[in-house]
Amino acid sequence: NFMLTQPHSVSESPGKTVTVSCTRRSGSIASSFVQWYQQRPGSAPITLIYEDNRRPSGVPDRFSGSVDSSSNSASLTISGLKTEDEADYYCQSYDSSRVIFGGGTKLTVL
Amino acid sequence: QVQLVESGGTLVRPGESLRLSCAASEFTFSDYYMSWIRQAPGKGLEWVSYISSNSGSSIYYADSVKGRFTISRDNAETSLYLQMNSLRAEDTAVYYCARVGWSSSFYFDFWGQGTLVTVSS
Repeated sequence: NFMLTQPHSVSESPGKTVTVSCTRRSGSIASSFVQWYQQRPGSAPITLIYEDNRRPSGVPDRFSGSVDSSSNSASLTISGLKTEDEADYYCQSYDSSRVIFGGGTKLTVL
Repeated sequence: QVQLVESGGTLVRPGESLRLSCAASEFTFSDYYMSWIRQAPGKGLEWVSYISSNSGSSIYYADSVKGRFTISRDNAETSLYLQMNSLRAEDTAVYYCARVGWSSSFYFDFWGQGTLVTVSS
């Protein structure tokens, strides 16, 4: 089993850029793709990034994903922050028989 | 547009059983893996189970529900189910039905709005 560790919270001002990290504990981050989901209060999650860095249609290019093997972590970067980006963000990966979510990061845009 | 509508959530007592349903539409249901994911109040997302496409011959569960929950699907009815037995207080959560995306990765491309299960005496 492996775990995905995220910071509990991050905050940044509108118009700025913020990065949310997701560190894999045990095993290589490159061994399976990482996904990112956004969940606004009271709503179901939506997919922002899949296969490490691909965006579903309709997701703005302000959202980007990357993986860094040296730190064994994935990152979600949001540029040109908007107040509507205030939400919880979850990373997710998998192995042969289970799916793992990170604990989530609360983004405050202030 | 893909639609996933969960139902069946309610208040139950510890030790009781409950069956959740997820009605799928606007896509070829039998072609896709499907999954249940839950979220306890104020907590993060927790994967519960997934079932493979077509006959559903591959099924996996999180350790926290293995032996108590059973996932199934009815392709003719385009529905996904979760039979939950021996419910515990820690099973209290919003349960989401999600479609597994058609990709090299394993991810959830569409989610339902969720159904709340409360386990309390």
